Amino acid sequence: KQEVTQIPAALSVPEGENLVLNCSFTDSAIYNLQWFRQDPGKGLTSLLLIQSSQREQTSGRLNASLDKSSGRSTLYIAASQPGDSATYLCAVKWGYSSASKIIFGSGTRLSIRP
Amino acid sequence: ETGVTQTPRHLVMGMTNKKSLKCEQHLGHNAMYWYKQSAKKPLELMFVYNFKEQTENNSVPSRFSPECPNSSHLFLHLHTLQPEDSALYLCASSQVPGRAEGTEAFFGQGTRLTVV
Repeated sequence: KQEVTQIPAALSVPEGENLVLNCSFTDSAIYNLQWFRQDPGKGLTSLLLIQSSQREQTSGRLNASLDKSSGRSTLYIAASQPGDSATYLCAVKWGYSSASKIIFGSGTRLSIRP
Repeated sequence: ETGVTQTPRHLVMGMTNKKSLKCEQHLGHNAMYWYKQSAKKPLELMFVYNFKEQTENNSVPSRFSPECPNSSHLFLHLHTLQPEDSALYLCASSQVPGRAEGTEAFFGQGTRLTVV
């Protein structure tokens, strides 16, 4: 069964710290993996997309890595800011067609303390 | 602004009402999706359309009826819903190329549905 797990469910850190969010998945034959941010009551904002052939992607203070063999991805946030407070979701797609399932983790709720 | 627009943003409906959610994407994508996000549960895929054809129905009750008149518009028709159907309904779109690697999925802001 294909599953996506995010631990911890919630994380609170002081402003300025570097932090790592974790995502693990069963079945290493993924097509791609995407990290999203969701603010309360809002839709999802795409942060980074990693294709199955890639090891990492970077955008500004964000860096996402992918290790298919161990079934893990991490999202690294450098120099965290209060505006980074949100829920971060990991989504994994198995298969290239539109019918292929995208399965989401339950998310990590991040709170950055000023 | 992600290029995917959902209306209305909030909807309160009675169990005997009929309403529709609308999604429009301005990204030229060929695949559109409906997701349901309930409190404290992961996002659940409901329907997938590719080139206006439904390619996935993830065991969704018939009180939810999707419609995709063209590749830019997606509707979710609602009738005789139950209180447990209250949730955030999210629309997404992506480009499905075939055997090349896929592109990002972009989401709308969602419709917060409350069934009373």
